Amino acid sequence: AQSVTQPDIHITVSEGASLELRCNYSYGATPYLFWYVQSPGQGLQLLLKYFSGDTLVQGIKGFEAEFKRSQSSFNLRKPSVHWSDAAEYFCAVGPGVTFGTGTKLQVIP
Amino acid sequence: GAVVSQHPSRVICKSGTSVKIECRSLDFQATTMFWYRQFPKQSLMLMATSNEGSKATYEQGVEKDKFLINHASLTLSTLTVTSAHPEDSSFYICSASAGGLEQYFGPGTRLTVT
Repeated sequence: AQSVTQPDIHITVSEGASLELRCNYSYGATPYLFWYVQSPGQGLQLLLKYFSGDTLVQGIKGFEAEFKRSQSSFNLRKPSVHWSDAAEYFCAVGPGVTFGTGTKLQVIP
Repeated sequence: GAVVSQHPSRVICKSGTSVKIECRSLDFQATTMFWYRQFPKQSLMLMATSNEGSKATYEQGVEKDKFLINHASLTLSTLTVTSAHPEDSSFYICSASAGGLEQYFGPGTRLTVT
């Protein structure tokens, strides 16, 4: 069975600081990995995805993620956080998408 | 492109009544649609997967007689919560796929049962 763990429930960073959100997965074969962002009361927006190829994936809004098979991880990064990045972030593994429990990002001035 | 809409965005109903939520793919044909439920401060839980013209496949623990799913066309799926109770209050999100691995999510429907 596939599963996703996001160890950090809540993260607070200062505007302009770098960000890394952790994601660990469990899947028997090569996984398909996704990061989504959800603003309050809204649906999900895809930030980036990994299916195969280059393990460093670039996404929208300046986000990137790196697939590390040896660590079963797919951490999301951004070099400089903006106040508008405050939201809930979900890592997901597929096929048959399973979501992690989410990390809520708070950005302080 | 790849826009998915949901209607209504918010609905309040009385206990015992039924509520229908629509999910539409606006600019592509969705061979598969998914229905999720999200409790406050929790992740999305897949309820069911539906392919156009076929019966939905429900996840374990989801009552198919309570959550009726219809996927009658390539652009429309509906979720009907029958005989709703307060514990059915939740945020329901649909997503649609054009046959690939990527899902496009709707904005969600907030259901409150009083």
